[in-house]
Amino acid sequence: AQSVSQHNHHVILSEAASLELGCNYSYGGTVNLFWYVQYPGQHLQLLLKYFSGDPLVKGIKGFEAEFIKSKFSFNLRKPSVQWSDTAEYFCAVNPSGTYKYIFGTGTRLKVLA
Amino acid sequence: DTGVSQDPRHKITKRGQNVTFRCDPISEHNRLYWYRQTLGQGPEFLTYFQNEAQLEKSRLLSDRFSAERPKGSFSTLEIQRTEQGDSAMYLCASSEVDTQYFGPGTRLTVL
Repeated sequence: AQSVSQHNHHVILSEAASLELGCNYSYGGTVNLFWYVQYPGQHLQLLLKYFSGDPLVKGIKGFEAEFIKSKFSFNLRKPSVQWSDTAEYFCAVNPSGTYKYIFGTGTRLKVLA
Repeated sequence: DTGVSQDPRHKITKRGQNVTFRCDPISEHNRLYWYRQTLGQGPEFLTYFQNEAQLEKSRLLSDRFSAERPKGSFSTLEIQRTEQGDSAMYLCASSEVDTQYFGPGTRLTVL
């Protein structure tokens, strides 16, 4: 079955620390990849997306993600987190040719000021 | 642009009752999605509409669930004969192409 794994369920960092959140998916075909974020009290919103081309994609607020096809991974990174990055982060996969989006279980990030 | 809206925001019902939720997408968006989210999980895809056509439906969705988008604008999701396992947040999202904009969700509690 198609699935998305986010191994880090809770992450606590101090401000200015570097962040990397893991995302792995199980699907053998072509996929479109997304990271969504949900800030406290807000709706889910798109952080960044990958469809094709340069496997390193940049999103809003200094986030970036790298698609490594051989590892079926799409890890999210930020060199220096801020308190305002405290949120829940979801990785999502859209298998090409379908309209279905498969979300991971999410990672709750808490950044200490 | 007021974003995606959902109504009601909260619904408490007794087991066996039917419930209906409404989603109003962003006006120019022709794509609409329904998801279900339970505690500690990510959104689970339920169904997808392009305009008024329901083009994809999760195989996990039981026959008690039905969704419509009769005029290609707002959508409704109905759950018949609710069960306690249906308690969850029901999310709607709309898009023009590939970026989905999510609504605030309807939190359903089945007693």
